[in-house]
Amino acid sequence: TQLLEQSPQFLSIQEGENLTVYCNSSSVFSSLQWYRQEPGEGPVLLVTVVTGGEVKKLKRLTFQFGDARKDSSLHITAAQPGDTGLYLCAGGRNTDKLIFGTGTRLQVFP
Amino acid sequence: EPEVTQTPSHQVTQMGQEVILRCVPISNHLYFYWYRQILGQKVEFLVSFYNNEISEKSEIFDDQFSVERPDGSNFTLKIRSTKLEDSAMYFCASSAVPELFFGEGSRLTVL
Repeated sequence: TQLLEQSPQFLSIQEGENLTVYCNSSSVFSSLQWYRQEPGEGPVLLVTVVTGGEVKKLKRLTFQFGDARKDSSLHITAAQPGDTGLYLCAGGRNTDKLIFGTGTRLQVFP
Repeated sequence: EPEVTQTPSHQVTQMGQEVILRCVPISNHLYFYWYRQILGQKVEFLVSFYNNEISEKSEIFDDQFSVERPDGSNFTLKIRSTKLEDSAMYFCASSAVPELFFGEGSRLTVL
């Protein structure tokens, strides 16, 4: 069974702080996606990384795919209250289903 | 921007009743999925569908569940005889590989 473990599970920080969320697996994925989910809504795709070592930036968010394509990280610089939400990583292998991580719930206080 | 739409947004049903959740995937996508999320828990894969047949299903997707694409646009999930533990948010997704795009979800409450 493929598992994606995210850490930390919960994170409460003040506005302006930096943070990193980790997504780890013992399995290799052909792609890894990060989603953000608001309460009562569906996951919204943030980014897809497909190449080992790949780094993608989305404004204040930086995503990295591990060299071995087994892990990924999401770094947020100068967090804002609008960044509050549930962050999910999800790994895929070509046309297979996505396996979702355990999620990191982020709360950014003004 | 194209999006996945789901209906109903919320359904309340009695245990043992049949429920059909509907989804309209993004029009040029070929892969379709159902996921569910029990309150406070992780998003779980139920089933994937490609070329008018199930390509993969999880152990959750037992004989009580079925999927169908009755016409060129709708993709449905049927639960034949709902149980209390079927209460969850059900998300439909469609894909142009490798990215999945999710609908807003259908909240199912089984009483």
